[in-house]
Amino acid sequence: AQSVTQLDSQVPVFEEAPVELRCNYSSSVSVYLFWYVQYPNQGLQLLLKYLSGSTLVESINGFEAEFNKSQTSFHLRKPSVHISDTAEYFCAVSPRSNDYKLSFGAGTTVTVRA
Amino acid sequence: GAVVSQHPSRVICKSGTSVKIECRSLDFQATTMFWYRQFPKQSLMLMATSNEGSKATYEQGVEKDKFLINHASLTLSTLTVTSAHPEDSSFYICSARSWGQETQYFGPGTRLLVL
Repeated sequence: AQSVTQLDSQVPVFEEAPVELRCNYSSSVSVYLFWYVQYPNQGLQLLLKYLSGSTLVESINGFEAEFNKSQTSFHLRKPSVHISDTAEYFCAVSPRSNDYKLSFGAGTTVTVRA
Repeated sequence: GAVVSQHPSRVICKSGTSVKIECRSLDFQATTMFWYRQFPKQSLMLMATSNEGSKATYEQGVEKDKFLINHASLTLSTLTVTSAHPEDSSFYICSARSWGQETQYFGPGTRLLVL
């Protein structure tokens, strides 16, 4: 079984400031790692994922996350946030097997203020 | 690509009635679909996994007779909430993936309110 811990439930941040959302996981098997974003009253959108290869992965809108196997972490960062980044962010893992069931963290609410 | 739709986006029904929610993959074949429930300010809770042409696999604590799932084609899965009660009010989200693909793509969700 897998579990995911998002250490920050709420992160207020000013526009153009950097932000880091922390995610740690535990698993007895190898996993894939994901970050999803959810805007109010909407479904989840895939932000980025780590499957294999380079441990640093990037999204098209400036987010990046680094897989750290020794620390079992997959923290999400953005060097300069916009008002439009206000949303709920979920870290998730799935086993590297056929069912690919996702286990989600509790989510981090990012509120960007001008 | 990888677009998933849900219908309806919101529904209000009376207690005791049944409600059907559709989940469609618009541009890929969804060999597996997942149904989640999300309470306000909380994370997603997996309810069941359905593979096309097979019976759904329900997570522990989810009543299969209450939440009927059908995945009869590679592009459509339905969730029917039978004999709905106010405590079934929630945000229901589906996701879909293709065979061998690691990533799940999510629908926009359906908000159910049972009066």
